[in-house]
Amino acid sequence: SAVISQKPSRDICQRGTSLTIQCQVDSQVTMMFWYRQQPGQSLTLIATANQGSEATYESGFVIDKFPISRPNLTFSTLTVSNMSPEDSSIYLCSVVGTGGVGYTFGSGTRLTVV
Amino acid sequence: EDQVTQSPEALRLQEGESSSLNCSYTVSGLRGLFWYRQDPGKGPEFLFTLYSAGEEKEKERLKATLTKKESFLHITAPKPEDSATYLCAVQVLISSGSARQLTFGSGTQLTVLP
Repeated sequence: SAVISQKPSRDICQRGTSLTIQCQVDSQVTMMFWYRQQPGQSLTLIATANQGSEATYESGFVIDKFPISRPNLTFSTLTVSNMSPEDSSIYLCSVVGTGGVGYTFGSGTRLTVV
Repeated sequence: EDQVTQSPEALRLQEGESSSLNCSYTVSGLRGLFWYRQDPGKGPEFLFTLYSAGEEKEKERLKATLTKKESFLHITAPKPEDSATYLCAVQVLISSGSARQLTFGSGTQLTVLP
């Protein structure tokens, strides 16, 4: 199955600033997915990123707050903009697995906003 | 609206004490039900995908089963290294024939005591 590298693994940021999270996959994939996992909660899909087109955002998430880039078939970034303490979460990228393996996840970015 | 409910929220077992985790779902058309294991500070690790009622899959001490309303993750003679949060997720078919992305339950935090 695909191997996903996600950076940074964690960060502490000041409110009002922005953080860009990178997701690198070791193989070409059509779709990449970005999830948020708030403290003590399960995973919530933020958006689906297709190469060469605008990302598709889920209800409650908007492009101005979570802009996504997808420049090629192995890389994507998620930016958390104008951060507030409520944005403190783990952010995860995911791709569809191969060989009968379900969706594969990166190790996540633990974001704390102070 | 698709709903996924996991129970119990937390489970403490003695090493060797077998038990089951439950995942109940209410969806319009199930394409697949996924089980993941998540260790603290890491992304979810794929365990199983089940597609139809009656299907069962096994991996070491874990066995997943599926009915039309719920799935069970049976843990036989657990060891302390099985301690983790176990997440289930459903993927739903939509009218166009494609599938929505995963909807996760809130997870069961399993602790196995030596």
